[in-house]
Amino acid sequence: DGGITQSPKYLFRKEGQNVTLSCEQNLNHDAMYWYRQDPGQGLRLIYYSQIVNDFQKGDIAEGYSVSREKKESFPLTVTSAQKNPTAFYLCASSEYYQNYGYTFGSGTRLTVV
Amino acid sequence: QQPVQSPQAVILREGEDAVINCSSSKALYSVHWYRQKHGEAPVFLMILLKGGEQKGHEKISASFNEKKQQSSLYLTASQLSYSGTYFCGTVLMDSNYQLIWGAGTKLIIKP
Repeated sequence: DGGITQSPKYLFRKEGQNVTLSCEQNLNHDAMYWYRQDPGQGLRLIYYSQIVNDFQKGDIAEGYSVSREKKESFPLTVTSAQKNPTAFYLCASSEYYQNYGYTFGSGTRLTVV
Repeated sequence: QQPVQSPQAVILREGEDAVINCSSSKALYSVHWYRQKHGEAPVFLMILLKGGEQKGHEKISASFNEKKQQSSLYLTASQLSYSGTYFCGTVLMDSNYQLIWGAGTKLIIKP
């Protein structure tokens, strides 16, 4: 079955450490997105990519980095520059022209310890 | 630019109806609706395109008023499984097809 796989489901980060969240899709979607969600809040866009080897900053890109070397993969690195990284991270994909909905992965819950 | 959702929260008894609204100050190309249950990822419900028809299936439907740049989500005879937070997302005309999310409407269904 087609879908998006995010891993790990839970991640613990020490102060000053970089961590990478994985996102893989087999839907052949062109566009991929990373969102951050804090408790009781909405979705905030971190980065998005509409084509391989190209990506754009979203509303809250500071302290994060991404790559898009393959169509199927869009990993997110949370760097030590992100001072408050504890949140629920969601990866999504879609067809480029937005006449179809987004498909989300199951999310990664990141906690700073 | 963020669409405005109303109400922010609603509590219903099972079997009652609910309407959730989403409005934009700019011309819209499309409106998306998603439902997110606690601790889970959002799930796509439906999309309404400019010039398209009202969408829906079973007891969940939606409309899109292009003149008012508004969309409404209708939940009829609500079931316990309808509980969650509903988000609308809007795609503006003449944009690069980016989805702009509303703040969400929390729906609680009681038995």
